[in-house]
Amino acid sequence: QVQLVESGGGVVQPGRSLRLSCAASGFTFSYYAMHWVRQAPGKGLEWVAIISYDGSNEYYADSVKGRFTISRDNSKNTLYLQVNSLRAEDTAVYYCAKDGGPYSRENYGDYWGQGTLVTVSS
Amino acid sequence: EIVMTQSPATLSVSPGERATLSCRASQSLSSNLAWYQQKPGQSPRLLIYGTSTRVTGIPARFSGGGSETDFTLTISSLQSEDFAVYYCQQYDNWPTFGQGTKVEIK
Repeated sequence: QVQLVESGGGVVQPGRSLRLSCAASGFTFSYYAMHWVRQAPGKGLEWVAIISYDGSNEYYADSVKGRFTISRDNSKNTLYLQVNSLRAEDTAVYYCAKDGGPYSRENYGDYWGQGTLVTVSS
Repeated sequence: EIVMTQSPATLSVSPGERATLSCRASQSLSSNLAWYQQKPGQSPRLLIYGTSTRVTGIPARFSGGGSETDFTLTISSLQSEDFAVYYCQQYDNWPTFGQGTKVEIK
């Protein structure tokens, strides 16, 4: 069965960095685009970043462009999100999600991890 | 950016009743509309994609419809496990969500 397990969250001071990871199993990771979506405490969902199945294309929300970098290692079945220059408004649970279709970029998530909490606070 | 607006914010329904949730897009969409269910402390769960295609394993009481700017999720007979927050999401271009509709027990 499909499993997505995020890690790397924690409490960090404004301006600092973190690297989030998402370990995937139960499907052919290299066939699917992958996504990061976040949810601030008690708030709605915000799409953050997308990476194509082969890592050749990346897409970002305006709110994180230039600060966050999505990447993947298909040999390790792992997705990453490097988050730099963190701000208080980046405080959220960060979910990774598998794209709904192979090779294409459907841009909806058919499986989601349990999330990792990033708290930006001094 | 396409803005998605859901209504109502909260829907109070008795078990066994029908619930209709609305989602309006700020511009016309193709069929690239998905619905998710989220329970407290859990990650979102995909219910519907392509406006009306139900995910394998999702009960038939969930149905999606609509076109252009107006879309609906209907739960034909609410079960106890259906009380949750529901989000619509468009994926015509950069993905955006509605703010959610909370379905609560009346």
